[in-house]
Amino acid sequence: HSALTQPASVSGSPGQSITISCTGTSSDVGSYNLVSWYQQHPGKAPKLMTYEGSKRPSGASNRFSGSKSGNTASLTISGLQAEDEADYYCCSYTGNSNWIFGGGTKVTVL
Amino acid sequence: EVQLLESGGGLVQPGGSLRLSCATSGFTFNNYAMSWVRQAPGKGLEWVSAISGSGRSTEYIDSVKGRFTISRDISGNTLYLQMTSLRAEDTAEYYCAKISLGMSGIFYFDSWGQGTLVTVSS
Repeated sequence: HSALTQPASVSGSPGQSITISCTGTSSDVGSYNLVSWYQQHPGKAPKLMTYEGSKRPSGASNRFSGSKSGNTASLTISGLQAEDEADYYCCSYTGNSNWIFGGGTKVTVL
Repeated sequence: EVQLLESGGGLVQPGGSLRLSCATSGFTFNNYAMSWVRQAPGKGLEWVSAISGSGRSTEYIDSVKGRFTISRDISGNTLYLQMTSLRAEDTAEYYCAKISLGMSGIFYFDSWGQGTLVTVSS
């Protein structure tokens, strides 16, 4: 499995919606709901935002939603806020207790 | 509240060894698989290793196989990563992460520690 492909950066104005893509193959992203998404602010630990494609952990904002089409998973942030400015990583479980991450996307709130 | 606290990072020469620890609390340690994930300076996340709740099953990324050993002390609620034959490319922040199993049978990292920095340099 090679690293998943994410855009290096995405930007939007406060209140807008943005979508971050994560492209893999039929063996990882395209196979069932394997993708989870993580938010990481500078100097901080990653934080789980969505898992199993579209589920949110307790405490996560409902402005974050995950989806998938074919071999591409997406994370949509609606009602963009200044606090959403961070790096975002997709991650796919590949089986046998192995995972691969995307290269990360820097979200900028204009 | 789940808490994960890593320690043991530092500066080590190429070829040297280091043992990382991750002290855990707030959950039943032996009920959950655990993992180490690293992040080189200015780079993205990279999964390194995982261990089952019992400790009987382990997995590693190819680049660390034969050099790193993951283990856990169930009585002490602590996760370890023994790193040997360290290389410059192992320089990274190392995070321990708790693994959860979703209703659809998919594993994901639901809690993370704050990380410990390992620098391999002469």
